[in-house]
Amino acid sequence: QKEVEQNSGPLSVPEGAIASLNCTYSDRGSQSFFWYRQYSGKSPELIMFIYSNGDKEDGRFTAQLNKASQYVSLLIRDSQPSDSATYLCAVRSGNTPLVFGKGTRLSVIA
Amino acid sequence: ETGVTQSPTHLIKTRGQQVTLRCSSQSGHNTVSWYQQALGQGPQFIFQYYREEENGRGNFPPRFSGLQFPNYSSELNVNALELDDSALYLCASSPNGRGGPQETQYFGPGTRLLVL
Repeated sequence: QKEVEQNSGPLSVPEGAIASLNCTYSDRGSQSFFWYRQYSGKSPELIMFIYSNGDKEDGRFTAQLNKASQYVSLLIRDSQPSDSATYLCAVRSGNTPLVFGKGTRLSVIA
Repeated sequence: ETGVTQSPTHLIKTRGQQVTLRCSSQSGHNTVSWYQQALGQGPQFIFQYYREEENGRGNFPPRFSGLQFPNYSSELNVNALELDDSALYLCASSPNGRGGPQETQYFGPGTRLLVL
């Protein structure tokens, strides 16, 4: 059974710091990796995706993928209180459906 | 461009009743996936519809059923509701259900169902 693991948190960081969110997955055949942000009571919002090993940057967000270690992370630079949310990691192979982790709750303290 | 919409936003039902949830996919998208998200959990895949046909199903009982219409909007039906069916039901659309691993899904606002 394909599994995606995330630390549930909460992860607390001060405003302006770097938040580091981690995710591991069990299926070595996984090909694409997605990070969604979900505010309380709202639906998931796509932040970014990554397919290749290494880093991918988009504004204040950087996704890092290490397929050999089956590990993907999301870094948020210059964290703001508005970044406080649950961050969901999702994994996919081929045309299979997304498999989500339970999410990590991030709290940015002003 | 119109995003994914869902109706209703909230719903309260009692055990044993039936419910129908609706989703309109984003403009240009022909694939709709349904997910169930219980409190404190990640979304769990229910099923996907691609061009009006079921294109994959998760580990949900047959009382969860759905369909997709020619305009690619979709319905999720749940019969014989149980207390554990209380959750946020999410619809996600994507451009092409067979677009490969790089295809992204965009979620609607969800329907929050409470079963009493």
